[in-house]
Amino acid sequence: QVQLQESGPGLVRPSETLSLTCSVSGASIKTNYWNWIRQPPGKGLEWIGYISRSGGTKYNPSLESRVTISVDASKNQLSLKLTSVTAADTAVYYCAGGVDWKLFSAWFDPWGQGTPVTVSS
Amino acid sequence: DIQMTQSPSSVSASVGDRVTITCRASQYISTWVAWYQQKPGQAPKLLIFGASNLQSGVPSRFSGSGSETEFTLTISSLQPEDFATYYCQQANSLYTFGQGTKVEVK
Repeated sequence: QVQLQESGPGLVRPSETLSLTCSVSGASIKTNYWNWIRQPPGKGLEWIGYISRSGGTKYNPSLESRVTISVDASKNQLSLKLTSVTAADTAVYYCAGGVDWKLFSAWFDPWGQGTPVTVSS
Repeated sequence: DIQMTQSPSSVSASVGDRVTITCRASQYISTWVAWYQQKPGQAPKLLIFGASNLQSGVPSRFSGSGSETEFTLTISSLQPEDFATYYCQQANSLYTFGQGTKVEVK
C-alpha cells in the first residue's frame, strides 16, 4: 500500500521560498508520476505540477515561473519549492501519485494527508 | 485553459435520496474526467475515472456518465458517510478541477 506524507514549515514570510517534502512509502519514487496540488482555505483544488518517472517536469502555467518540483531517489522523497510567496499562496498542500490511463498519467491517487502553509509576516 | 463548471454548488439531501451532480467542460475533453470525494479535514479520494469507471473499493452506488463536455456523478441511494464535497477533474489538457459541490443534510 502506497502512503504519502507531506512535511515542512507551517509558516512562511511573504517574498520568501516555500519548501515542502513528501515522503513516499510502499513504492519506489522512480516508478510513478508524482504531483503537488493545493487547496486555499475554504476553496477548491489547484494542480501545481508533476515530476515524471524520467524526471521530467510539468507545471501549472499560472505558477510555472515560481515552481520547482524535484525528487531525491535515495530518500524516496518528492519536494516542492515555490518562490516569492504571497498571502495568495496560503493553502493546504498535498502530494499525490499519478494514475495511468491510456498510457497517460491522468488521475490522482493516493494522496497525502496534506500540510497547511500560511504566508504571513 | 479548460474550465470545469460544476452544478449545483450545493445540494441538500436525505439518506436514501438519489443525488446527481453535473460538470461541464469549456471544451471537448472526450472522457478525460474523474470525480473525487472530500470530507472535512481529509484529502480528496478518487471515486470515478475515465468518466464512468469505478475506482477499486468504491461502493457501487456511485456512478459516472457523460462524454465530450457534459458529465454526471450520481449517488443512487445517499448514505450517511456520503455527505461531503465532490469535485470533478479534467485531464485532457494538463489538469483542472471544478469548484466543488457540497452535499449537505436536508
